[in-house]
Amino acid sequence: DQQVKQNSPSLSVQEGRISILNCDYTNSMFDYFLWYKKYPAEGPTFLISISSIKDKNEDGRFTVFLNKSAKHLSLHIVPSQPGDSAVYFCAAIRFGNEKLTFGTGTRLTIIP
Amino acid sequence: GAGVSQTPSNKVTEKGKYVELRCDPISGHTALYWYRQSLGQGPEFLIYFQGTGAADDSGLPNDRFFAVRPEGSVSTLKIQRTERGDSAVYLCASSFTGTSGGPGNEQFFGPGTRLTVL
Repeated sequence: DQQVKQNSPSLSVQEGRISILNCDYTNSMFDYFLWYKKYPAEGPTFLISISSIKDKNEDGRFTVFLNKSAKHLSLHIVPSQPGDSAVYFCAAIRFGNEKLTFGTGTRLTIIP
Repeated sequence: GAGVSQTPSNKVTEKGKYVELRCDPISGHTALYWYRQSLGQGPEFLIYFQGTGAADDSGLPNDRFFAVRPEGSVSTLKIQRTERGDSAVYLCASSFTGTSGGPGNEQFFGPGTRLTVL
C-alpha cells in the first residue's frame, strides 16, 4: 500500500529553468509534508516542509504547493542550478505517529 | 560531531550471520529513528525511540530484527540469521523531540550503512 507516490522516477531540466517535482498521497490524515534531497552515499537532507493547513510555503528558490482536495503536492525549484541534481523524496507524517512515509523518489538532473 | 553518524558505512556478511549496525544521533536529540531503503525505493520506517524506550516498532519486519538504545543516545540495530532480502541501506535519523515533523523538529539523517548479505 503505497501511501505516498512519486510517479516520475526521473526528470531533466535545463539550468536556469524551473524544476517541478510532483507527489501524490492517499492518506488524508497526514498533517505535514516534507521534501528531502539525497546525494549519492549520503543520507536524505531536509529541504522544505508544509503543514496540511497551508497551501504554499516558500524558502528561497524552493516553493512547495499543497492541493489537499487533489491530495497532491509539488516542489518548485527556480532557477534550477547544477547543484540541485539529486534524488528528491516526498514524505508525509501524522502528528502523534512519528514515522515518515516516503515516496519512491525522483532523480533530478540539471543540464548545464 | 555535528550530524548523525553511522558505523560501519558498509557491511558484507554471509547468509545466516548476525550483524549489528550503530547510530550516533545529534547531541541533545531525544528521538531516534531507523529506516531501511531498498534499491529503487524510498526509506521505510523500522522503529522509533523516544529516549531509551521504543515508542513504535511497528516497522520491524520480523523477530530477527531488534534495536536498543540503552542510555538514550547511541542506538544499535541488530539483525539475526541474516537473509539475502535484508540487503539494503539502513538509515538512522534523529530529531529534537519527536513530537512532530514540523519546523524545528525535522528528522536529520545519517549517511546510512549499506548491508550486503551474500
